Amino acid sequence: GAGVSQSPRYKVAKRGQDVALRCDPISGHVSLFWYQQALGQGPEFLTYFQNEAQLDKSGLPSDRFFAERPEGSVSTLKIQRTQQEDSAVYLCASSLSRVNYGYTFGSGTRLTVV
Amino acid sequence: AQSVTQLGSHVSVSEGALVLLRCNYSSSVPPYLFWYVQYPNQGLQLLLKYTTGATLVKGINGFEAEFKKSETSFHLTKPSAHMSDAAEYFCAVSVGSGNTGKLIFGQGTTLQVKP
Repeated sequence: GAGVSQSPRYKVAKRGQDVALRCDPISGHVSLFWYQQALGQGPEFLTYFQNEAQLDKSGLPSDRFFAERPEGSVSTLKIQRTQQEDSAVYLCASSLSRVNYGYTFGSGTRLTVV
Repeated sequence: AQSVTQLGSHVSVSEGALVLLRCNYSSSVPPYLFWYVQYPNQGLQLLLKYTTGATLVKGINGFEAEFKKSETSFHLTKPSAHMSDAAEYFCAVSVGSGNTGKLIFGQGTTLQVKP
């Protein structure tokens, strides 16, 4: 597609529920990143994929967070047993190059845990 | 460790006035530096970037920024503000081996443009 597509656009989850957030990167983009943006804050890094390999997951806040990109294209961020502090916008970004020359962000998924 | 500080969480200018958004960084290696803009309920859009070479970089929508190593700064400017410039602006530094890694973002600056 022309841009990075994320779905759903909005998600309301009850505390304790599992959620899955999807990211469709730009076709052919090698690098894929997930960020978490709390209200009024800058985005914070969660994890990075180069093709299907997850090379950096140092930003995942707990073992309730899991990301995958099994075929090197679409990626899913899964959050198990959601808690209120997980409420945020989750941004996905992709880049054609392995070197970071500024990647393209999706519009994000706004997760609200009630 | 790398970090980014944006001075001023809110900046207000009149339409037609100079826009100056301040960003200072900390990096132990030569940084790649970026400015992104975020409109309400949207993702981030790249305005401009500095990687190597010329320290004055020009971006979209008339914005430019200058990398000053001695001051560890990368301030964003625009000579004349438009109403459409009202948005959230984020400065970021790229980290990781060979600059293949994640971005570290500042806290953001909200730009208000008054008629």
